[in-house]
Amino acid sequence: EDKVVQSPLSLVVHEGDTVTLNCSYEVTNFRSLLWYKQEKKAPTFLFMLTSSGIEKKSGRLSSILDKKELFSILNITATQTGDSAVYLCAEDNYGQNFVFGPGTRLSVLP
Amino acid sequence: DTGVSQDPRHKITKRGQNVTFRCDPISEHNRLYWYRQTLGQGPEFLTYFQNEAQLEKSRLLSDRFSAERPKGSFSTLEIQRTEQGDSAMYLCASSKNEQFFGPGTRLTVL
Repeated sequence: EDKVVQSPLSLVVHEGDTVTLNCSYEVTNFRSLLWYKQEKKAPTFLFMLTSSGIEKKSGRLSSILDKKELFSILNITATQTGDSAVYLCAEDNYGQNFVFGPGTRLSVLP
Repeated sequence: DTGVSQDPRHKITKRGQNVTFRCDPISEHNRLYWYRQTLGQGPEFLTYFQNEAQLEKSRLLSDRFSAERPKGSFSTLEIQRTEQGDSAMYLCASSKNEQFFGPGTRLTVL
């Protein structure tokens, strides 16, 4: 059964810091890797990554996938208190199943 | 608003009672997923439908759990003879490519 591991599990930073969140996965019929942000409600979609080496960017957030080493990173630059959330990584194995990691809890202090 | 809706948003029940939750996916999405999430954990896969066919079911899903998607549109998740350990957030998601979550149904079993 596929497994997704995230690190760190929690992280506390100050506003303006840059953070890098890590996600590694095992693969059986890998289709894509997804990142979500979860505050006190259901996860909201951030990125879907299917190809190695191509950075996806949305404002201060960016993400990249390495299919050879089976990992992805999510970068957040110039963090703000509103970035405080749990960031979830999930592997899509051809739509049959999405396997989620435990999440990284990010706390951004003013 | 992701377009996936769930009903009810909260359910409190006594141990031993049956409960049923409903999920209405985004209309053009043919894939529908049910997850369970407890505090501090990532979403845990329960079952998956492609159109009306239930293609995947987690080994974690006991016989007390059943899900249907009779016409390939909305889905229901029923839990029979609820136990306190069933208390969790039940999330529904739908996808065509990217996966979008509903707001969840929070179940509390007393």
